[in-house]
Amino acid sequence: DAGVIQSPRHEVTEMGQEVTLRCKPISGHNSLFWYRQTMMRGLELLIYFNNNVPIDDSGMPEDRFSAKMPNASFSTLKIQPSEPRDSAVYFCASHIPGQAYNEQFFGPGTRLTVL
Amino acid sequence: AQSVSQHNHHVILSEAASLELGCNYSYGGTVNLFWYVQYPGQHLQLLLKYFSGDPLVKGIKGFEAEFIKSKFSFNLRKPSVQWSDTAEYFCAVNPSGYSTLTFGKGTMLLVSP
Repeated sequence: DAGVIQSPRHEVTEMGQEVTLRCKPISGHNSLFWYRQTMMRGLELLIYFNNNVPIDDSGMPEDRFSAKMPNASFSTLKIQPSEPRDSAVYFCASHIPGQAYNEQFFGPGTRLTVL
Repeated sequence: AQSVSQHNHHVILSEAASLELGCNYSYGGTVNLFWYVQYPGQHLQLLLKYFSGDPLVKGIKGFEAEFIKSKFSFNLRKPSVQWSDTAEYFCAVNPSGYSTLTFGKGTMLLVSP
């Protein structure tokens, strides 16, 4: 398996623009997680899906952020409009819920820079 | 809600020195515990995990961690570090039966050759 796939790997955009980050989980994994990593706050869980349904979005910072999972093999995280403080690395992870130890597998991340 | 505390934000060691990174968590019930590593410019990779059984777990690259339930701790150790161990290390916990992981803030380890 190719692992969790994220695109783009790097994104540079201007304040006010819409940004869409993409994630393809590992085949057969039916839980998907979006994280944001910054120097100040470390790794924060933004939202997670189980069987394509959002279970917990309490970590989504504000209404400018939205996430969808239209099918088991694809998810998007959208920021509209983007702001400089959204600059961070965004990771997607997937796993199979119900396993004894719930290991999550991470993608390579998208480094977002908002100017 | 559970939380994870990693005591050292930065650690600098010389090659061959011994390593111990502290991790404490707060949660009253049964937990699964993880150490992830993030090499420069790369994604998080699992080093080792504990979910039951022997509290001393061994992971990849010579790392091990010991779960001490009475201290709510899961410290990471390596007897002799190498330059290639330079990375950021994250401790994480999830209550058994739950899907989400709570991560510590991470410890940046720099090993000088």
